[in-house]
Parts: sequence; structure tokens; C-alpha cells
Amino acid sequence: GEDVEQSLFLSVREGDSSVINCTYTDSSSTYLYWYKQEPGAGLQLLTYIFSNMDMKQDQRLTVLLNKKDKHLSLRIADTQTGDSAIYFCAENKNSGYALNFGKGTSLLVTP
Amino acid sequence: DVKVTQSSRYLVKRTGEKVFLECVQDMDHENMFWYRQDPGLGLRLIYFSYDVKMKEKGDIPEGYSVSREKKERFSLILESASTNQTSMYLCASSRPDRYEQYFGPGTRLTVT
Repeated sequence: GEDVEQSLFLSVREGDSSVINCTYTDSSSTYLYWYKQEPGAGLQLLTYIFSNMDMKQDQRLTVLLNKKDKHLSLRIADTQTGDSAIYFCAENKNSGYALNFGKGTSLLVTP
Repeated sequence: DVKVTQSSRYLVKRTGEKVFLECVQDMDHENMFWYRQDPGLGLRLIYFSYDVKMKEKGDIPEGYSVSREKKERFSLILESASTNQTSMYLCASSRPDRYEQYFGPGTRLTVT
């Protein structure tokens, strides 16, 4: 199948904003998700956006959705060292219950 | 709080052994999933189940089977483990009316 695309690495300084980008494949996806995975752990659901929204804000997290370009981004304000992790975007597949995941973006936050 | 547990965090098995990975969720979710995660390949869906005794193949089912006898439990079976099945295995569950999945902590399986 087609791939959800993400850049592999991002490095930011503590206190700066991080922006993680994702290009998804299915224009009919109803929901788009961001997950966080800390080393050696499972995936934790961070936030999601419904496809009829352009933006969603949740504390330090801002999700932007551009349906025309099938582009999703996650902005983390005031990034902390505890935000260092792998971030996955995911779309619901056109049929069935499964999600289609990107390969993940490793975020490194340096002091 | 949502809870998905997996029977082992780390497992070491020999080539040719039969391996069972267990996953239990306490959220009364209908849907359950097994993924494997490998560096550079992301998450790949092995099997999922949308009800007791029901299963569907995912993207990479070869070499695996599953069992769902009870709603809360979904087992992944490696009939004859091989070294290329060394990986991190992640279980997840979801409600039938929502797509978001909740993940367990993962089982890191090494086949020697």
C-alpha cells in the first residue's frame, strides 16, 4: 500500500518549538492521529484531529491539517527534554478498523 | 484508565520453537491488533480481530497465527520461530465506533 511519509529525525533545543510533519495518503481518512513512543515502550496516543477541522490545540500541542495537500503537522511549544521520543502520525484506512502508520520521526531535544 | 497488557516485556526463544505472545485489554474493546516494529520499517500490521473468534490478515501474516477465544484476550502464535521474527511486538485495541488504538508496552522477542 501507499506510505504515510514522515521525516526520520528532528533535533531542537530545549525551550524551542518543534514541528513534525506528515503527509498521509487517503483523502477520505476521517481521523488523523499523533502517537508518541518513548524508548522501550508502547505507543501513547497524544492527540487526534477530525478531518473537518483545520486546527486543534491541546496545551503545548497544536495540530494543523491541510486536507488539500494531505499534510498534517504537530507543533510542540516550549519543547522539553522529556519530549524526546519517536512520534508517529497515522490515518484510518479507507476500509476496516486498522490504522496506517508513518515510520516515525525521532525527536531529540538538547539542553 | 485504558489498560492493555502484554505477557512478557522480553522473550528469548530458539529457532523452531512455538511461541505464544499474549495480550489482554480491560476496556471491553471489540477490536484487537498485533503489530511488529522494526527499525526503518515502522509498524506493520500482522493480524487483527474485530470480535471473538474472528480474525483478519494484516500486511505481513506469513509465519504467524492468532487466537481470540475471549473478548479481552488476543494471542499471537509463531508456529516455528525463525531469526527473522526477532522484533518488537505491539498489541493494541480499539472500540468499533472509534479508530484510535490503545497500545500495550510491547514484547521484545529475540529468536536465536
